[in-house]
Amino acid sequence: DGGITQSPKYLFRKEGQNVTLSCEQNLNHDAMYWYRQDPGQGLRLIYYSQIVNDFQKGDIAEGYSVSREKKESFPLTVTSAQKNPTAFYLCASSTRSGANVLTFGAGSRLTVL
Amino acid sequence: GQQVMQIPQYQHVQEGEDFTTYCNSSTTLSNIQWYKQRPGGHPVFLIQLVKSGEVKKQKRLTFQFGEAKKNSSLHITATQTTDVGTYFCGGPASGTYKYIFGTGTRLKVLA
Repeated sequence: DGGITQSPKYLFRKEGQNVTLSCEQNLNHDAMYWYRQDPGQGLRLIYYSQIVNDFQKGDIAEGYSVSREKKESFPLTVTSAQKNPTAFYLCASSTRSGANVLTFGAGSRLTVL
Repeated sequence: GQQVMQIPQYQHVQEGEDFTTYCNSSTTLSNIQWYKQRPGGHPVFLIQLVKSGEVKKQKRLTFQFGEAKKNSSLHITATQTTDVGTYFCGGPASGTYKYIFGTGTRLKVLA
């Protein structure tokens, strides 16, 4: 079945540590996205990528980094510079033409201890 | 920057009552999409509206896209407990792939 796989589902980290969240899709989608979800604040865009080896900052990119070396993969690194990283992180993908509907992964919940 | 607001933020209704959520973007959208997120789950696509003034129906759900392509609404007739969840609107600003979502409306349906 085609879809988006995010891992890990739950992650705990100590303050000052970097952590990388994985996002893999087998939908042959060109565009991929990372969103952060906090209670009552909806979905906020962190980074997005329209094509391999290219990505753009979203509205809350500070303290995060991404790479897009392969079409299928768009990992997100939460760095120690992110002051409040505890949140639910969602990865999504879409085609670059036609309906451009987003398909979301199941999410990764990061807790900083 | 582009912002998308949704009202209300929360809504509690008795089962059988109607429900409406409103979505307003600060910029014109190429299209608007609606997603539903069940508690503990991830957003799932419901519908896309593309044309100015467009109205679409899915059973008890009615979606509208404003004439200026900056606002939209979702109306649920006779809510059921299965309608519980958070409803998000959003879409790409015209000419971009930058998808911005609204703050969401959390719906609770009391049996």
